[in-house]
Amino acid sequence: QVQLVQSGTEVKKPGASVKVSCKASGYTFASYGITWVRQAPGQGLEWMGWITAYNANTYYAQKLQGRVTMTTDTSTSTAYMELRSLRSDDTAMYFCARNDGYCSGYNCYLAHWGQGTLVTVSS
Amino acid sequence: ELVLTQSPATLSLSPGDRATLSCRASQSVSSYLAWYQQKPGQAPRLLIYDASNRATGIPARFSGSGSGPDFTLTISSLEPEDFAVYYCQQRNNWPPSLTFGGGTKVEIK
Repeated sequence: QVQLVQSGTEVKKPGASVKVSCKASGYTFASYGITWVRQAPGQGLEWMGWITAYNANTYYAQKLQGRVTMTTDTSTSTAYMELRSLRSDDTAMYFCARNDGYCSGYNCYLAHWGQGTLVTVSS
Repeated sequence: ELVLTQSPATLSLSPGDRATLSCRASQSVSSYLAWYQQKPGQAPRLLIYDASNRATGIPARFSGSGSGPDFTLTISSLEPEDFAVYYCQQRNNWPPSLTFGGGTKVEIK
């Protein structure tokens, strides 16, 4: 079965960086893109960006441009999300999810999710 | 920029009631829409894709309908495990991205 297993809880100081991993299993990793979504405490879901499978193209939310980098390592079937210059409002649960449907078109949805990684930014 | 507006923000119902959740898109981008259920401390779970197709393992009491810009998620008879927050989601045209609605919380009355 498809599984996405994320790295553990992180506590960072303002200005630091965090790198969250998402290890995939149960499917051909290179055939599906990965989306990253975050959720601040008590808030809704916020799309951060995605990385396509076949050519590792990335698309980031405008508000995160310049601070976020998404990568993949096909040899280990792992996706990574690095967020730099952390601020207190980056405190959130971070989820990875597999791009399902046809995300090059409009038929794009997320059928498989990681368990989430809590990132806390505090001095 | 695409905005998805969900209503109501909170729905207070009893087990066995019918729940009707709305999602309205600010632009008629496409007829494709997904619905997710999220319980506290858990990742979202896909319920509906392509506006009306149930995801694998989703009970038949969940149904989706509509086309741009108005979509509806209906839960025909609420079970205790259905009390949760529900989000709708669409893909934007350009730049490629996903937009989520603000969520509807279905709570026990």
